[in-house]
Formats: sequence, C-alpha cells, structure tokens
Amino acid sequence: GAVVSQHPSRVICKSGTSVKIECRSLDFQATTMFWYRQFPKKSLMLMATSNEGSKATYEQGVEKDKFLINHASLTLSTLTVTSAHPEDSSFYICSGRGASTDTQYFGPGTRLTVL
Amino acid sequence: GESVGLHLPTLSVQEGDNSIINCAYSNSASDYFIWYKQESGKGPQFIIDIRSNMDKRQGQRVTVLLNKTVKHLSLQIAATQPGDSAVYFCAEILTGTASKLTFGTGTRLQVTL
Repeated sequence: GAVVSQHPSRVICKSGTSVKIECRSLDFQATTMFWYRQFPKKSLMLMATSNEGSKATYEQGVEKDKFLINHASLTLSTLTVTSAHPEDSSFYICSGRGASTDTQYFGPGTRLTVL
Repeated sequence: GESVGLHLPTLSVQEGDNSIINCAYSNSASDYFIWYKQESGKGPQFIIDIRSNMDKRQGQRVTVLLNKTVKHLSLQIAATQPGDSAVYFCAEILTGTASKLTFGTGTRLQVTL
C-alpha cells in the first residue's frame, strides 16, 4: 500500500511559538493532501484540503491564519501551527491521495503538546 | 447534517472468534466506503474498501458488506487475533467532488484471550 510519513512524531512547544509539521508521500504522488485533527477517543476532524500548487481549502471553523498549509510539491505538504496555545494541543494526522484514486492513505500522526 | 455513525462503541471478542463491526451512513449519495483501523497513537490504516456498485468485498480475513437499501456497512474479521485490537472507523465518500472522507465515530475492538 501507499506510504505516508509525518515528522516530527511528537513535539512539545511553548505557548506563543510556531510549530511546523511535515507530511510526505513516500511511494506515490499525492496530488491532494488532507490535514486532520483528532482529540482523545474521538474521530478524525478534517481541517483542510490542499491540492499541489494551490491554496488550501479550509473547513468551516478552522482558522487559516493560524493553521498555515503549504503543498508545494507532489510529495510534501506542511502544516504550521502559528502562535500555538494549549488548546491547540492535539493529534494531527495528514493523508495523501493520488490523482487517479479516491483512497486516502494516512500518516502516523504528530502529537503536539503546547505548554 | 449528513453523518456516518456506528452502532457499538466497544466490541469485545474472544480470540479466534469472528468479529462484526457495523456502521450506518446517512448520505445516500455516497458511493465509496472505506474501513480504517487505528491503533493507539498511530494514524488510520487502510483495511478494505467497497464501491456502491458492489454488495460484498473480501480481503485477507476481512469482508465488507454494503446494504444500500438500509444504508448500512459492516466489517467482518475472521478468526480475530490480539493484533486486531484497535479502533475501527468507517468512512464514506461522495466521489467526483472533493472526495472528502466523512468518518464515523469509531468502534473499539477488544480481543480477549
């Protein structure tokens, strides 16, 4: 199956700082990448959808200026949490989808803790 | 709004028995469905998928059944093993649009020895 990686797997930062999370498709070209957030014992909540070379489309209620998404290549998308606060602490998961498929393949997730 | 839900939040199964995880979806226009397995602290792992023009699809030890009449999806795991313990999510997609996944709430499968 298709493999998606995320880096870092775990990050702790101070309140007010920014954190960048990378999502890479390792063995396929992800024309579309998705970013999700997951709270403990809850389902995944879609934050935004990004197509390579285009601006991301954010879901309702997600602040685009706080969660900056860049999808500059077919194998890399980044999520930057700007001016992080403790309420941003969560499990962030990305997924990638190729051009000729509807199936999303997920990364292993990044645990963000904001102190 | 449209949603995908699961009947049972937790399912406890004895090792070696078969597991059946159910899912109800409400968007009758959805035409593609995926089951994912998520272990603690990890991302969802693709298990099996099915399109709306099929009723059944089999994989290795897993079978997905789709009943469009009652908008019901199920995942059957044969000879359940301890490694099957995880949270299982069904997800629906309306293809041809942004093809965004709508996830169900998840069912935790506990395999007892």
